Amino acid sequence: QSALTQPASVSGSPGQSITISCTGTSSDIGFYNYVSWFQQQPGEAPKLIIYDAYYRPSGVSFRFSGSKSGNTASLTISGLQAEDEADYYCCSYTTSRILVFGGGTKLTVL
Amino acid sequence: QVQLQESGPGLVKPSETLSLTCNVSGGSITRDYWSWIRQPPGKGLEWIGHISYSGGTNYNPSLKSRVIISLDTSKNQFSLKMSSVTAADTALYYCARGYASTPGYSWGQGTRVTVSS
Repeated sequence: QSALTQPASVSGSPGQSITISCTGTSSDIGFYNYVSWFQQQPGEAPKLIIYDAYYRPSGVSFRFSGSKSGNTASLTISGLQAEDEADYYCCSYTTSRILVFGGGTKLTVL
Repeated sequence: QVQLQESGPGLVKPSETLSLTCNVSGGSITRDYWSWIRQPPGKGLEWIGHISYSGGTNYNPSLKSRVIISLDTSKNQFSLKMSSVTAADTALYYCARGYASTPGYSWGQGTRVTVSS
């Protein structure tokens, strides 16, 4: 099972919106809506920010939204803030009943 | 609120077995799924495997031959054993609570393991 494909880095200015893509296959993202997104600040454990492709856990800012089309899932952060600077990882359940992560995307707020 | 805490040796010799335990507090281990996830220095997250509340397991195919995850309901904890370790297994190891489809609703703080003689 190969890792999901994410861009290594993205950047944006405060107030802007950015989107991070996560590309898989018809055996993972394309088959299920079981895509999750995690935010990892430096030196901290990851934090779940999107689950089941579209849903935010309680307490996560409405500025974070998830979507999916075909074999690609996306995370959009609107109204970019300095505190959003972090690494972001996607994860998908697969038809093999295992989980696979993306390689991670470093978000820089300019 | 469920809290998780990893424990185990920080240094393991090559070819030996890495053993870690995750203590769960604030909730019962007899529900949900319990994962081990690792992160090599400066690299991304890698799912190792998980165990369900009923004891069923699934593992990353690339690690499956070396990994065992088990549950101890009497102590409300679960464990990871990884055999025949090499330097490539040096990483920050996290335990996490989730569902079969979503690995990490709650995470431990992580424990660093170095494989070196």
